[in-house]
Amino acid sequence: QSALTQPASVSGSPGQSITISCTGTSSDVGGYNYVSWYRQHPGKAPKLMIYDVSNRPSGVSNRFSGSKSGNTASLTISGLQAEDEADYYCSSYTSSSTHVVFGGGTKLTVL
Amino acid sequence: QLQLQESGPGLVKPSETLSLTCSVSGGSISSSSHYWSWIRQPPGKGLEWIGSMHYSGNTYYKSSLKSRVTISVDTSKNQFSLKLGSVTAADTAVYYCARWNTSGVWFDPWGQGTLVTVSS
Repeated sequence: QSALTQPASVSGSPGQSITISCTGTSSDVGGYNYVSWYRQHPGKAPKLMIYDVSNRPSGVSNRFSGSKSGNTASLTISGLQAEDEADYYCSSYTSSSTHVVFGGGTKLTVL
Repeated sequence: QLQLQESGPGLVKPSETLSLTCSVSGGSISSSSHYWSWIRQPPGKGLEWIGSMHYSGNTYYKSSLKSRVTISVDTSKNQFSLKLGSVTAADTAVYYCARWNTSGVWFDPWGQGTLVTVSS
């Protein structure tokens, strides 16, 4: 059981927007602005898409955006493209002795 | 451009010690702004942070693994290493090395990952 809760799957059609949620507690997501999001294509290493809740690394499309409200962080992908089909993981700093926690991952299917 | 590359045995026997090395190229491991990290992913499952180390020696480990894990940094070789002792089948996973930026909490870049299977 992962420390952060994500939906197992989401889907959308090309051109649409989707949002993936990541729910934690006040000890992690809600307590710090240290949420990051990663995209992982099958057989590949994860790639950083969003850091510190809403910041995009250089080179990441502005179709990707992040936000947070209370204990839940969200990743929104607009203008869905076939290449967006992948697994997405959220991560957060935690004040527990675990230090860093990940969500269980969400499989995005582009219909 | 910073690149990381894992190396080590792909098969380890139960109760033995798993040892992996991550070679860093395109940048120095002696960076005050970064920790060097290990993250694993069991087949078909999610990501699990194992631990991170600063070149100065400061180290963080996941509490449930702390008794079995050692991360070390070799600045002369620009490498860092993972040792996980008393392994079981539950330690079978793809092991990734990654850089943790200390201005926040995120991992970038990542190595390509290496599969380690624990089996007799």
